[in-house]
Amino acid sequence: EAQVTQNPRYLITVTGKKLTVTCSQNMNHEYMSWYRQDPGLGLRQIYYSMNVEVTDKGDVPEGYKVSRKEKRNFPLILESPSPNQTSLYFCASSTGTSGGRKTQYFGPGTRLLVL
Amino acid sequence: SQKIEQNSEALNIQEGKTATLTCNYTNYSPAYLQWYRQDPGRGPVFLLLIRENEKEKRKERLKVTFDTTLKQSLFHITASQPADSATYLCALMPRTGNQFYFGTGTSLTVIP
Repeated sequence: EAQVTQNPRYLITVTGKKLTVTCSQNMNHEYMSWYRQDPGLGLRQIYYSMNVEVTDKGDVPEGYKVSRKEKRNFPLILESPSPNQTSLYFCASSTGTSGGRKTQYFGPGTRLLVL
Repeated sequence: SQKIEQNSEALNIQEGKTATLTCNYTNYSPAYLQWYRQDPGRGPVFLLLIRENEKEKRKERLKVTFDTTLKQSLFHITASQPADSATYLCALMPRTGNQFYFGTGTSLTVIP
């Protein structure tokens, strides 16, 4: 089954404790992206990757890091989480060509609480 | 500043009626605009895409229009059903760059 998986689904942590949220897709998509979703603000893009070893900042990259060492995986790293990073996070993937990079497939989400 | 606005209030309609959701944008030149459905606690699911040179797109009971002069897209669900109750998001990708930009969504409730 074609899907995007994220882990963990729920995470409670404390300020400053480094964490990684994993994202994996099995559709051989070039384009992958991370979003955060907050009430009243909608989905905001954090980082995206056009392909392996190619990453770019989205609208809200501060406090986050990403890496794309393999095509299928795109982990989101919070080096020193702060309470304002409490949010619902989604990973998404789509084909990479400009003609095909239209339909995004989203993961189930990771709900993060930073105390 | 760049902005994408959707119906700010929740939309309640009677089963069988047509639901119309609005997406307005400013300061973007979108190559295309998309609509997604999101159920509580789940990731968005792609529904329809319309390109800047298209006026209308249909898929079963769904219809999307796109007016680049008004900078507006309308999303219609005809013969609505309670199962259509969800939050609907519009998203656009500008002609230049590789980012997606989402609206805040409209919550739709179809009353039996």
